[in-house]
Amino acid sequence: AQSVTQLDSQVPVFEEAPVELRCNYSSSVSVYLFWYVQYPNQGLQLLLKYLSGSTLVESINGFEAEFNKSQTSFHLRKPSVHISDTAEYFCAVRLSGAGSYQLTFGKGTKLSVIP
Amino acid sequence: DAGVTQSPTHLIKTRGQHVTLRCSPISGHKSVSWYQQVLGQGPQFIFQYYEKEERGRGNFPDRFSARQFPNYSSELNVNALLLGDSALYLCASSLATDPSYEQYFGPGTRLTVT
Repeated sequence: AQSVTQLDSQVPVFEEAPVELRCNYSSSVSVYLFWYVQYPNQGLQLLLKYLSGSTLVESINGFEAEFNKSQTSFHLRKPSVHISDTAEYFCAVRLSGAGSYQLTFGKGTKLSVIP
Repeated sequence: DAGVTQSPTHLIKTRGQHVTLRCSPISGHKSVSWYQQVLGQGPQFIFQYYEKEERGRGNFPDRFSARQFPNYSSELNVNALLLGDSALYLCASSLATDPSYEQYFGPGTRLTVT
């Protein structure tokens, strides 16, 4: 079975500083990787995903993540954070083969951007 | 287009009661999945339905059941509620079951069991 570990439960960072949210996964077969963001009292929104191809994927709001197969990691980065980035971020995996129905999530990382 | 909608937004139930949560997927989406998010944890997969058939089930007891209707909306039922069932229940819809299809999440139903 697959699993996801988010190494930091909370990450405080000053506005305009860079941030990295770490995610490691465990799976014996190939997976698809996702980052979701959850704002207070809201559902999850897809931030970015890796399915295949280039190992560096980017979102429209400046986040990027790099798939590293050898280290089984999919860390999320942003070079300069904004107050509006304050939210909880979830890393998730899904098996890439047919018959794989579920997303498996990490426990989440709360990003707090300090003015 | 409207996103995934869930009802009710909040509800409070007593131990031993049962509850029904409802989900309407995005128009054109035929697959619905349910997740439970306990406070401080990531969402956990409960069920996936596609074309009214159960296609996947997570590690939840038989007290949890679901169904999908011809219009692709879905209900999640939980019987004999326990305090530990208190959580945010999320519904997600996607075009089909292929893992490359994005799952779009609704705002959730906050269930409190007292």
